[in-house]
Amino acid sequence: GAVVSQHPSRVICKSGTSVKIECRSLDFQATTMFWYRQFPKQSLMLMATSNEGSKATYEQGVEKDKFLINHASLTLSTLTVTSAHPEDSSFYICSAGRQSTNYGYTFGSGTRLTVV
Amino acid sequence: QKEVEQNSGPLSVPEGAIASLNCTYSDRVSQSFFWYRQYSGKSPELIMSIYSNGDKEDGRFTAQLNKASQYVSLLIRDSQPSDSATYLCAVNLEFPGAGSYQLTFGKGTKLSVIP
Repeated sequence: GAVVSQHPSRVICKSGTSVKIECRSLDFQATTMFWYRQFPKQSLMLMATSNEGSKATYEQGVEKDKFLINHASLTLSTLTVTSAHPEDSSFYICSAGRQSTNYGYTFGSGTRLTVV
Repeated sequence: QKEVEQNSGPLSVPEGAIASLNCTYSDRVSQSFFWYRQYSGKSPELIMSIYSNGDKEDGRFTAQLNKASQYVSLLIRDSQPSDSATYLCAVNLEFPGAGSYQLTFGKGTKLSVIP
């Protein structure tokens, strides 16, 4: 159980365009979803936490107008990178958790974004 | 102030040896502790969770938790080259008064198992 599906796995886009990444919990209801970014050889950096039906909470330094997060249902959260630039190229990973704090969070397979 | 700290490594051990990975965390109320394994270019994969003091064993993996010392470790017995990866310690840290928790990751320890 606890499968999280993330799409696309890889995307290459032109500078200035927007990219949408989807994260779905397949066999459980994810009340909370997290979006991370990881640059090469660096650790996971939490970008934002989204709770179903409410606005996402962004970490300091993350532009909420650039990284739009929607968590409209208990099984789907999306991250849209708007007006992407080469410095946004990174590995984006979502994770999802249940209501209880004691469950380990399951990660999606990640999205490798390259902005050219 | 870092919340979860790990030695970044790299930690190199010969095949068949025991690999010991350590993690310390800040003094906020924490209930649950996790070890994730991340292969290069892949997303993290949960390998162990531990919630109470003591040892928890699962196959070749043993997680050890000492809440008084704010310390959690992962032992890998009979290390194999396929265990070579970055191991991330994660702790559910409570935000005091908010009633909410956030899974906080350490920077990870890179493990290399030498054949």
